[in-house]
Amino acid sequence: GIQVEQSPPDLILQEGANSTLRCNFSDSVNNLQWFHQNPWGQLINLFYIPSGTKQNGRLSATTVATERYSLLYISSSQTTDSGVYFCAVEANTGTASKLTFGTGTRLQVTL
Amino acid sequence: DAGVTQSPTHLIKTRGQQVTLRCSPKSGHDTVSWYQQALGQGPQFIFQYYEEEERQRGNFPDRFSGHQFPNYSSELNVNALLLGDSALYLCASSLVLSNTGELFFGEGSRLTVL
Repeated sequence: GIQVEQSPPDLILQEGANSTLRCNFSDSVNNLQWFHQNPWGQLINLFYIPSGTKQNGRLSATTVATERYSLLYISSSQTTDSGVYFCAVEANTGTASKLTFGTGTRLQVTL
Repeated sequence: DAGVTQSPTHLIKTRGQQVTLRCSPKSGHDTVSWYQQALGQGPQFIFQYYEEEERQRGNFPDRFSGHQFPNYSSELNVNALLLGDSALYLCASSLVLSNTGELFFGEGSRLTVL
């Protein structure tokens, strides 16, 4: 099956710093989503981005499908950005999605 | 617009027991998928239900079974619980006819097996 690798596995930032999280995948995809998992376990949708670039406030994401990677940018980080960020992809075409998740990037933002 | 809701949020069982977890999909969605997330890992796909049938299944034993009801809600059943079944169980919903196949997750049910 498709492989998803995320880097770095852990990241510690001071509040206000910027960061880039990377997701590499081993096959072509028709669905790629970035999630933030909060301390209570809920996966919060950040972006649906199988290709191209999107921005939402301090967050933006870019997927280069032909080169099989996606980047999540966090600017002016805040302590509330702490948590685990997951990239998830679907390789199969067809109906509803079955996502394969990476192992995540654990982000800690300190004061 | 109600999001994905799951119950119970936490539960404790002993080895050999059976458990049932419940999920109501986001309003307007017709497909429910279940994922298992062990501590420190990414979620793993268990199975997916659409039109009250199991459509896809991940690499999980038959002890894991499910059901989808006519109102699109779903249950996950796990029989003969093992210590290794301790995990966060996440339900996700989507719409088959969506252009994107984007998934939306609930807050999860945290199962502890003693």
